Amino acid sequence: NAGVTQTPKFRILKIGQSMTLQCTQDMNHNYMYWYRQDPGMGLKLIYYSVGAGITDKGEVPNGYNVSRSTTEDFPLRLELAAPSQTSVYFCASSYSYQSSGNTIYFGEGSWLTVV
Amino acid sequence: AQSVAQPEDQVNVAEGNPLTVKCTYSVSGNPYLFWYVQYPNRGLQFLLKYITGDNLVKGSYGFEAEFNKSQTSFHLKKPSALVSDSALYFCAVTSTNAGNMLTFGGGTRLMVKP
Repeated sequence: NAGVTQTPKFRILKIGQSMTLQCTQDMNHNYMYWYRQDPGMGLKLIYYSVGAGITDKGEVPNGYNVSRSTTEDFPLRLELAAPSQTSVYFCASSYSYQSSGNTIYFGEGSWLTVV
Repeated sequence: AQSVAQPEDQVNVAEGNPLTVKCTYSVSGNPYLFWYVQYPNRGLQFLLKYITGDNLVKGSYGFEAEFNKSQTSFHLKKPSALVSDSALYFCAVTSTNAGNMLTFGGGTRLMVKP
């Protein structure tokens, strides 16, 4: 079972460049999320989506954009990369909303370095 | 606002000994608590969760966790540690009042030595 798939796994960007992190899930989950992981800081929620066409900001949305045109896909876009966006990015999904106790499932991560 | 604390950056234990990774939380409303494990260069894998019911929750790979409402804790335990348990462990909490926010602790690195 594929689960949550993210690409690319590693990427180096120059300051000011743009890129899109791709995420797709095959579990027919309604909810999808993007987190970033910084050392010693746990995971912070960037954006989430409760279904196709609906997205909302998380704790740290600045510098990022998302879209959700299908149930399966939830790409994350960095428009003007900055060194502060050097991090590990995780896409995740769940059947329903987290506050109902639904388990969320994570992708393998995308390591992004901005130089 | 909800929060999670994992007071130990690293826990060292000898193989075969019991292990405990600590987690305390703060929420409004009823808590839902999770433990995830992350191996090097990999994503987070679900271990176990507490939603309601029995305070002792059993999960994957022989791990278990005890929900203690009075102490607002959800410590992860295993009776006999394996070297392969060495990884980064995250506690996370959400609640009936939290909408779609799952809050993670900073993580605890578990080192099991032969």
